[in-house]
Parts: sequence; C-alpha cells; structure tokens
Amino acid sequence: ETGVTQTPRHLVMGMTNKKSLKCEQHLGHNAMYWYKQSAKKPLELMFVYSLEERVENNSVPSRFSPECPNSSHLFLHLHTLQPEDSALYLCASSQDHGGNYGYTFGSGTRLTVV
Amino acid sequence: GQNIDQPTEMTATEGAIVQINCTYQTSGFNGLFWYQQHAGEAPTFLSYNVLDGLEEKGRFSSFLSRSKGYSYLLLKELQMKDSASYLCAVTPLTGGFKTIFGAGTRLFVKA
Repeated sequence: ETGVTQTPRHLVMGMTNKKSLKCEQHLGHNAMYWYKQSAKKPLELMFVYSLEERVENNSVPSRFSPECPNSSHLFLHLHTLQPEDSALYLCASSQDHGGNYGYTFGSGTRLTVV
Repeated sequence: GQNIDQPTEMTATEGAIVQINCTYQTSGFNGLFWYQQHAGEAPTFLSYNVLDGLEEKGRFSSFLSRSKGYSYLLLKELQMKDSASYLCAVTPLTGGFKTIFGAGTRLFVKA
C-alpha cells in the first residue's frame, strides 16, 4: 500500500469517550503531521513529528495527545472532547520537517463529537 | 501576523479558463504550494513555486510574484472533475515547518 492511510474515515464519539485516530505512511518520509480542517477555515497545524520526535505542539488542548511510535505511524489520542472539536483531522507526511517538498495527505478522519 | 487570502468560492463553465488568486503576508518566504482537494478526500499536490514566473503543467499553471506577495492558479479547458477546493499554502522560512494554508477556494464547474 502506498501513500498516507488514515483510519477510521468517520468517527462519532461522546464527550466522555476515549478514541484514537491512526495514520500510516509507507513513503519513507521523515516527518508526520496532524492538521485540523474546519469548514471554511484554513488548515490548522496541531502537531509535527520529525524522525519520531515531536518538534511542534501548536497550542493544542491537552485533550488531544499525539503518539509517534516509529517513523511510519502516527496516532492522535482523543479524550473528553468538546462539540467544537468536530472537524476533519488530516494526517500528512513530508520528506523533511520543513515541508519544503510538499506534503502527502491522508484522506482524513471526519470526527463528530456529540 | 501571517495570513493567506483567497476567494471563498468561484463558478466557471466547462471548457473555460479560470484563475484563482492568492495573496500572502508571511515572515520570509521559501515557497508556495497549490493543492487540490475534492470533497471528502485528501488534498493532493498540484504545484510548487519558488521563483517568480509561471510554471506550466498540462492544463494547470501557477504564477508567483514574490515582490507582490501574489500567486494565481490557472486552470484551462475546465472539466467537471475540476470541481474541488484549491488550497494555497506558503512555507515561510527555510527549514521551518509552519506551512501556512489559506482557507481554500471552492470551484464549481457547471456544464
């Protein structure tokens, strides 16, 4: 399988639930990212991992917790979310952590918090 | 602050030409990207401009003027499948990882 794969594609969760989003890339890229995409808003960078080390945490609430166990996998653990967290969560990877060669995005997880 | 502006929506006719503009204000400049995103799908890379001028790639071309902080994406011979959102993104600094995205321009192609 090539590219960036995200699971699940859709997720509905209650505010007291705990769930995890998964991202996997088989491109040999060194950097992986989590972005939040809300309707009619720019993509918001959440976290950046470069060579499995977190290099950016963009003032994201602690109810979002990333994990990067190896260079091919990235998780976003969710707990006690709020309805305003409902959005499309996109994972991306790039050759370098500067994104100077562009990103390869996954198809995203559509999250609805009820 | 840093921001990218692009129109929210545009409508064009099949077979026509459409130009999607993007202006940016960033602290330094490394490169400008255009991505295409169909509804419910991943954004996909279209073009990358570093130097001033026009980059042509088939039906799509992208132009950059660094002095004006301005870019446009030109789509020729529009097809129905070109209906999508087009995202302008700027990497402000060499070695930085805070690529900034515009909110996207939603293009509707009508028959």
